[in-house]
Amino acid sequence: DAGVTQSPTHLIKTRGQQVTLRCSPISGHKSVSWYQQVLGQGPQFIFQYYEKEERGRGNFPDRFSARQFPNYSSELNVNALLLGDSALYLCASSFIPPSTQGKSEAFFGQGTRLTVV
Amino acid sequence: AQKITQTQPGMFVQEKEAVTLDCTYDTSDPSYGLFWYKQPSSGEMIFLIYQGSYDQQNATEGRYSLNFQKARKSANLVISASQLGDSAMYFCAMRGRAANSGYALNFGKGTSLLVTP
Repeated sequence: DAGVTQSPTHLIKTRGQQVTLRCSPISGHKSVSWYQQVLGQGPQFIFQYYEKEERGRGNFPDRFSARQFPNYSSELNVNALLLGDSALYLCASSFIPPSTQGKSEAFFGQGTRLTVV
Repeated sequence: AQKITQTQPGMFVQEKEAVTLDCTYDTSDPSYGLFWYKQPSSGEMIFLIYQGSYDQQNATEGRYSLNFQKARKSANLVISASQLGDSAMYFCAMRGRAANSGYALNFGKGTSLLVTP
C-alpha cells in the first residue's frame, strides 16, 4: 500500500514567487495536515483539513493557504515567497477524525524541501 | 498554551546499549496524546510510539517504550538494544485541543541520537 506521497520532493523558487505543494494521503484517510520544518527545529503546524473542511490553522501569515479535494488530496499554496519560507514541508494523513486521543496523524510523507533564493 | 521541551540537543549511545530520551510537556487539558517520531537524514517523520493521556499502562512498541509519568508531565522514550540504524533526530510531540489549531501536533526541538559501534 502506498504511504503518504508528496510532490515535488525538491523545489527552488525566487523571492516573490508563488508555490504549490501537493499531498496524497493514504487510501481511506480523510484528514490531512501540513507542517513546516525549518532547519534545526521541530515541525510547526500550518493547516489541518478533515472531510474537505478546515479544522485548524497555525500561526502563519495569510500568504499561506490550503485546500482539500473530494478525493482527500491536498494542496498547500504559499504566495509572495520570502527567504524565511525555505523549509521542509511535511504532510500527514490520518484515518480517524481529528481528536486528542488515538494515533491520529501517525503517517507523514517524505516532505517537500523548498528553497527560496 | 501547550509546550513540549526536549532538553538534550544530542545524545551518544553505544551499540546494544539502552538509551533514554527526555521529554516534558505542559498542558492544562486532561485529554491529550503524546507521540515520538524518528527523523533520519532523508527527512521523513517515522512514527515510533503513542501514549494517550488516559492510558493506564506505559506504551511499548518492540524496542521502544514510553516512560509516562503523568504527574510529572514527562514522556521519556526508552530505546533498548540500540542499533546503528537508530542514529537520527528524535522528536517528542503532543496533540491537544488548541484555539484555531484544531488537534494539531506540537513538536519539541528534537534530540539528535548517535549510536556508535
